[in-house]
Amino acid sequence: VQLVESGGGVVQPGRSLRLSCAASEFAFSNHAVHWVRQVPGKGLEWLSLISYDGSDEYYADSVRGRFTVSRDDSENTVSLQMDGLRHDDTATYYCVRALFDFEPHYFDSWGPGTLVTVSS
Amino acid sequence: QSALTQPPSASGSPGQSVTISCTGSISDVGGYDYVCWFRQYPGKAPQLLIYRVDQRPSGVPDRFSGSKSGNTASLTVSGLQGDDEADYYCNSYAGSDTWVFGGGTKLTVL
Repeated sequence: VQLVESGGGVVQPGRSLRLSCAASEFAFSNHAVHWVRQVPGKGLEWLSLISYDGSDEYYADSVRGRFTVSRDDSENTVSLQMDGLRHDDTATYYCVRALFDFEPHYFDSWGPGTLVTVSS
Repeated sequence: QSALTQPPSASGSPGQSVTISCTGSISDVGGYDYVCWFRQYPGKAPQLLIYRVDQRPSGVPDRFSGSKSGNTASLTVSGLQGDDEADYYCNSYAGSDTWVFGGGTKLTVL
């Protein structure tokens, strides 16, 4: 199982950034995918879940209304559109596959992460 | 969505056992068995150690065990080894399709 995030970088406050998560070596369309972030030197924060079939999306209060998750099973990718970025969104962002088919629970396979820095 | 409470640090000597606690509420840890634990080395992504309170994914040694009592989950690392030195995080389903992590515990092998 391999997940790889991309799209991170330096962005000004208020601007947008789109992260992608490319998956390989598993039945991607059977698995829900989470996004988790980690501020440098700090703990993990759950951000978002997209269900295995893309019909449901869920968000933490901290990003609801600013971040949007989507998936393209034909490309085996999940994306996180981040709008209205703030300084406190600076973090490494991970995409994570749920452990079991069709269920959202348990954070099984993690990508290496992509760093987003919000700075003027 | 308040973070679960973990001790900031824990330590033990090689061969000893260490237990790390993760305290939440009836809304998360106490209300569901969807509790898991992760190990994270510096600069690396977390690795799943325990799921469903006490289940180990394939490949995780049985030195790692999980349990839960009331609103507190625990991870026990037995037979401490040098490469157990890492950060450890718990996670629980928190209802309403949200999940919450603990603040993390830095385990030092003396």
